Amino acid sequence: QSVLTQPPSASGTPGQRVTISCSGSSSYIRSNTVDWYQQLPGTAPKLLIFSNNQRPSGVPDRFSGSKSGTSASLAISGLQSEDEADYYCATWDDSLKGVVFGGGTKLTV
Amino acid sequence: QVQLQQSGPGLVKPSQTLSLTCAISGDSVSSNSAAWNWIRQSPSRGLEWLGRTYYRSKWYNDYAVSVKSRITINPDTSKNQFSLQLNSVTPEDTAVYYCARKGDIGYLDLWGRGTLVTVSS
Repeated sequence: QSVLTQPPSASGTPGQRVTISCSGSSSYIRSNTVDWYQQLPGTAPKLLIFSNNQRPSGVPDRFSGSKSGTSASLAISGLQSEDEADYYCATWDDSLKGVVFGGGTKLTV
Repeated sequence: QVQLQQSGPGLVKPSQTLSLTCAISGDSVSSNSAAWNWIRQSPSRGLEWLGRTYYRSKWYNDYAVSVKSRITINPDTSKNQFSLQLNSVTPEDTAVYYCARKGDIGYLDLWGRGTLVTVSS
């Protein structure tokens, strides 16, 4: 069982806006920043959002992230068919000195 | 352009040692700002961080509690790569194994393509 909780699935139609939540205990999300990773079918995860709300170069501004307290969210606006993927949140575990992941959310467009 | 190239066997027998290598191009395993990680993914366990190695005037390692007694991650500066060894494997260790870098942004900003490792006799 993952230490970060995500809904197993989400869906939307092209052009819509969807949000994916990620919640965890205060020892995780409250204390550290949150990343989001996108995993397209058959590929490795790719960094989508870092430091709660920052986009790496090349990531469209349709993707945005936020964090409040012990929860974080990923929002995707103007949904496109190519956004169909698994999305994972992640943060740092200070005691583990390692990354902890959410269970992933499968987005269907 | 930084790339991570994974190599290693896709089939390991129970009780034996799983060994994978991640070759780095475009960056250095001895970088004072990067850390080199191994992560695995399976349907039952999801994404699971296994450990990392990094250099900050000397070499450091951190390992996940779940595998701490069985895992070794070593840098190889002569070949600019790092390796994963997981001892005494069982079918529960069957997973896709990824190497990944912690660079300037995010926790894991660059990933290898992954290697499916099956533990079976």
